[in-house]
Amino acid sequence: SQWGEENLQALSIQEGEDVTMNCSYKTYTTVVQWYRQKSGKGPALIILIRSNEREKRSGRLRATLDTSSQSSSLSITGTLATDTAVYFCATGNNNAGAKLTFGGGTRLTVRP
Amino acid sequence: EAAVTQSPRNKVAVTGGKVTLSCNQTNNHNNMYWYRQDTGHGLRLIHYSYGAGSTEKGDIPDGYKASRPSQENFSLILELATPSQTSVYFCASGDWGADYAEQFFGPGTRLTVL
Repeated sequence: SQWGEENLQALSIQEGEDVTMNCSYKTYTTVVQWYRQKSGKGPALIILIRSNEREKRSGRLRATLDTSSQSSSLSITGTLATDTAVYFCATGNNNAGAKLTFGGGTRLTVRP
Repeated sequence: EAAVTQSPRNKVAVTGGKVTLSCNQTNNHNNMYWYRQDTGHGLRLIHYSYGAGSTEKGDIPDGYKASRPSQENFSLILELATPSQTSVYFCASGDWGADYAEQFFGPGTRLTVL
């Protein structure tokens, strides 16, 4: 799993497989956001899940949130080579102002 | 059309020199951010701004200054660049909505300090 200053995690899978990435956070958050960063680009938001939701789906993406353990997961089903990227979770709340705290990230490589 | 742009995209600087990284956004967002990303690590917040004329220290502000002269522009300044500041720098913009603040990132600037 990823958090804060932790080093980047790495996963390598075959195209078509399913994958789950985990994230744990330390402070209260109203929303967990998942960002994807493709090589040479800036991160971009792909899915978010609010603190009153346990699961959120968007196409092949599924995010879960467990506020009691302060953890979230991102699953991708039927991966494609184009899913190769670094995936970050990010959290924030009104008390933190406009700041987000990003996890260390998971580098996912999907082999064709 | 890209809403957050950064310049330059690549920069080589000498130790002790002054470096200015520029960011422009057309999202009309109040908040702007500067992060650095080092190989194998996540994003670390250097400075951010709530609007024109405001700058706030992030988690790793030492050795960096920021300037927000307008809603659209946010600069990161390294007065005396050091090799430890070699990194990829990302600018982002965003606003706090009802319960969260999505951030929109630029393409990054790769800075090498020799």
